[in-house]
Amino acid sequence: DTGVSQDPRHKITKRGQNVTFRCDPISEHNRLYWYRQTLGQGPEFLTYFQNEAQLEKSRLLSDRFSAERPKGSFSTLEIQRTEQGDSAMYLCASSLIETSGHEQFFGPGTRLTVL
Amino acid sequence: GEDVEQSLFLSVREGDSSVINCTYTDSSSTYLYWYKQEPGAGLQLLTYIFSNMDMKQDQRLTVLLNKKDKHLSLRIADTQTGDSAIYFCAEVGSGNTGKLIFGQGTTLQVKP
Repeated sequence: DTGVSQDPRHKITKRGQNVTFRCDPISEHNRLYWYRQTLGQGPEFLTYFQNEAQLEKSRLLSDRFSAERPKGSFSTLEIQRTEQGDSAMYLCASSLIETSGHEQFFGPGTRLTVL
Repeated sequence: GEDVEQSLFLSVREGDSSVINCTYTDSSSTYLYWYKQEPGAGLQLLTYIFSNMDMKQDQRLTVLLNKKDKHLSLRIADTQTGDSAIYFCAEVGSGNTGKLIFGQGTTLQVKP
């Protein structure tokens, strides 16, 4: 296993379009997190899954955002009717709840630019 | 509320030690983490410390935790140009979600 992967790495879209990002976590990791990072800031929590259940969503996650993890493995994050303010790096991380440090391992991110 | 703060910039000479500081607010945090981010890349986990520890050493990295003052530091010994990056400290947010609350990051510049 080579770590967390994300696809695509870059996405440029026009305002109003829908976009979908994919995250493949480290295999057997039961928790999967989505974060958003804007320029000059630290990542901000968006939502997380334990297995296939979405257990928490941040207030940052407007109703235009939806995330799924249908089989408890990969996850998708969809943004509908994109706005320029959605431009950011979207980071995915995974962890194994049973490990003592609950370390989260991050993917390379998907950079979204909304024109 | 939960908040993590860091100084924004640190410049050191190659071979010197670097100390990056962080303060946090949630006294119930069980784990605190240090991540490194190079330009255009994701976050690389460097180390973490459990809240009942004062210090943790891992090769060139030393983490110090002052729980009373809610202060965390990362010392990098013999800093190299390859250590130039943004360093984030993070605490585990409240609840049992494991979500991380990050500081805004400290840019470390290492001059040759």
